[in-house]
Amino acid sequence: EAGVAQSPRYKIIEKRQSVAFWCNPISGHATLYWYQQILGQGPKLLIQFQNNGVVDDSQLPKDRFSAERLKGVDSTLKIQPAKLEDSAVYLCASRGANYGYTFGSGTRLTVV
Amino acid sequence: SQQGEEDPQALSIQEGENATMNCSYKTSINNLQWYRQNSGRGLVHLILIRSNEREKHSGRLRVTLDTSKKSSSLLITASRAADTASYFCATDAFGTSGSRLTFGEGTQLTVNP
Repeated sequence: EAGVAQSPRYKIIEKRQSVAFWCNPISGHATLYWYQQILGQGPKLLIQFQNNGVVDDSQLPKDRFSAERLKGVDSTLKIQPAKLEDSAVYLCASRGANYGYTFGSGTRLTVV
Repeated sequence: SQQGEEDPQALSIQEGENATMNCSYKTSINNLQWYRQNSGRGLVHLILIRSNEREKHSGRLRVTLDTSKKSSSLLITASRAADTASYFCATDAFGTSGSRLTFGEGTQLTVNP
């Protein structure tokens, strides 16, 4: 089966600019996650979708971050405006049966 | 908040030696998973151990789980230079919002040739 696709692979922006990341999960996986991984740390959950509905966004900085999953398939994560501390790798994952999580390769964001 | 804490934060060994990494967590879990991450790359799933299991093997990997102590260990035997990476434990727990993985901060393993 195809993996979780993410784009872009890398992004460099200036602070206060906006940026968007895209994720295409594995076909049929109802649950989709966005994680933020700052250099030297473990991934931290930002938001969790079940189909096209948000089930947990308690760790999402909603003043600047937003995410949507239209039609319960692809998802986009947006940051507007970006801050220096948003520099991180943004990982998308989807979950199937038998506790199987599959992660995408991530988008490395650098805010300068 | 992070569920797990990993120990040590960094480990440097010689090729052929065994590497042991430990993970502790705080709440009840469905299963615990270990992942590897090479620098700048995505997460690779290594092994999953369910809450009712105590030990599991996969190739050169051996994972133990002690739910009474809320701890797990990952043993890599006969290490190779290619094993150099960051290793993360992640707990899978079912909460009010469904299942999600919560990661520790990781152990950076360096295997010297």
